[in-house]
Amino acid sequence: NAGVTQTPKFRILKIGQSMTLQCTQDMNHNYMYWYRQDPGMGLKLIYYSVGAGITDKGEVPNGYNVSRSTTEDFPLRLELAAPSQTSVYFCASINGGIGAGELFFGEGSRLTVL
Amino acid sequence: QQPVQSPQAVILREGEDAVINCSSSKALYSVHWYRQKHGEAPVFLMILLKGGEQKGHDKISASFNEKKQQSSLYLTASQLSYSGTYFCGTEQKYSGGGADGLTFGKGTHLIIQP
Repeated sequence: NAGVTQTPKFRILKIGQSMTLQCTQDMNHNYMYWYRQDPGMGLKLIYYSVGAGITDKGEVPNGYNVSRSTTEDFPLRLELAAPSQTSVYFCASINGGIGAGELFFGEGSRLTVL
Repeated sequence: QQPVQSPQAVILREGEDAVINCSSSKALYSVHWYRQKHGEAPVFLMILLKGGEQKGHDKISASFNEKKQQSSLYLTASQLSYSGTYFCGTEQKYSGGGADGLTFGKGTHLIIQP
């Protein structure tokens, strides 16, 4: 049972480039989330999804897009990368909503934009 | 509204106790606690729900004061493995399953020395 899998683990981008961070979970969870973590700032919610075909913005969505075509996959798209998007990105999932208990995190994707 | 954690950092000797606090200006439905070690994903410790229900770790306890919108995490007889950054995450509303994720504090750095 792999849990939440993120790829790539590390990536360096040039300003203006685009890329997609992949997130897959094999636990059949309906809720999925993308957070970014900057040093000393905690985790900030970028986008979330309550099921296939349904996504919504979190606290810091600018510069990102998501899609949820299947229950398992929740990719995060960065368009026109900027240095401010240098961060560690975490994908997470849970079944039944936040009050249900443990939020399962992926191992993170460390992105540097130069 | 990001919850406020205190202290920002604490250094303990192995076997000593620690208390980490989390406070919000908003009415809360639940408070979640996570521990993160350097370079790793956050790991679930505890969830405290409005009404007093708790789910989580056997060796760590916590409290949730619903009237004051405050939670405290109690680490007793600390072990070297307790070192890391502790985050509280708050759920500020309950909308058919708490869909819109957690709002995390900036974290409390805990260092346990032998």
